[in-house]
Amino acid sequence: AQKITQTQPGMFVQEKEAVTLDCTYDTSDPSYGLFWYKQPSSGEMIFLIYQGSYDQQNATEGRYSLNFQKARKSANLVISASQLGDSAMYFCAMREGPINFGNEKLTFGTGTRLTIIP
Amino acid sequence: NAGVTQTPKFQVLKTGQSMTLQCAQDMNHEYMSWYRQDPGMGLRLIHYSVGAGITDQGEVPNGYNVSRSTTEDFPLRLLSAAPSQTSVYFCASSYSSLKGGINYGYTFGSGTRLTVV
Repeated sequence: AQKITQTQPGMFVQEKEAVTLDCTYDTSDPSYGLFWYKQPSSGEMIFLIYQGSYDQQNATEGRYSLNFQKARKSANLVISASQLGDSAMYFCAMREGPINFGNEKLTFGTGTRLTIIP
Repeated sequence: NAGVTQTPKFQVLKTGQSMTLQCAQDMNHEYMSWYRQDPGMGLRLIHYSVGAGITDQGEVPNGYNVSRSTTEDFPLRLLSAAPSQTSVYFCASSYSSLKGGINYGYTFGSGTRLTVV
């Protein structure tokens, strides 16, 4: 079974609209972390946002927020007021296990290609 | 502040050739890893290391070797290149929670695009 599922291979969104990129995950470990990365056409991987499984509040970083629904095992990325520079590939990733046990391995989803239309 | 440096950026190999992809970081990160990125498959973990002298296999280790003699360097060796190893390779590093670091985000290199013909 896929540990990270991103069901939207591609999305087209009008500039200035809000965007939600879907991510569902599968783990039996009560301790885990969820990450979102952005990969522009230049190829580099840019860290956007992190959510820990025990965090009480949804993570936010500027225009990025993570809609964390633990019972549904979903961790959707929300981008408010989209900009042309948001056009990129977006990856959801998960680290399983407590952070104090050296569990650093990340499992990635297949990504969503977001295109912002002027 | 260089971060994670990968060399070369591009490489073309013939089937059967060997080569080493270099990865160096200057952030004193204990954890380093190698991923490959293929279309439609996301990033898959090849090998990783939680510190100098310690390495372990990831999801797709076959055909690759690694070693970690220093904290800074984590080279990836292709022993006998095959067309199936055509991919984009990323090195990533972070603080290790084993050493008390909190890993809230990995730093990635800019990638190596490898073509095996």
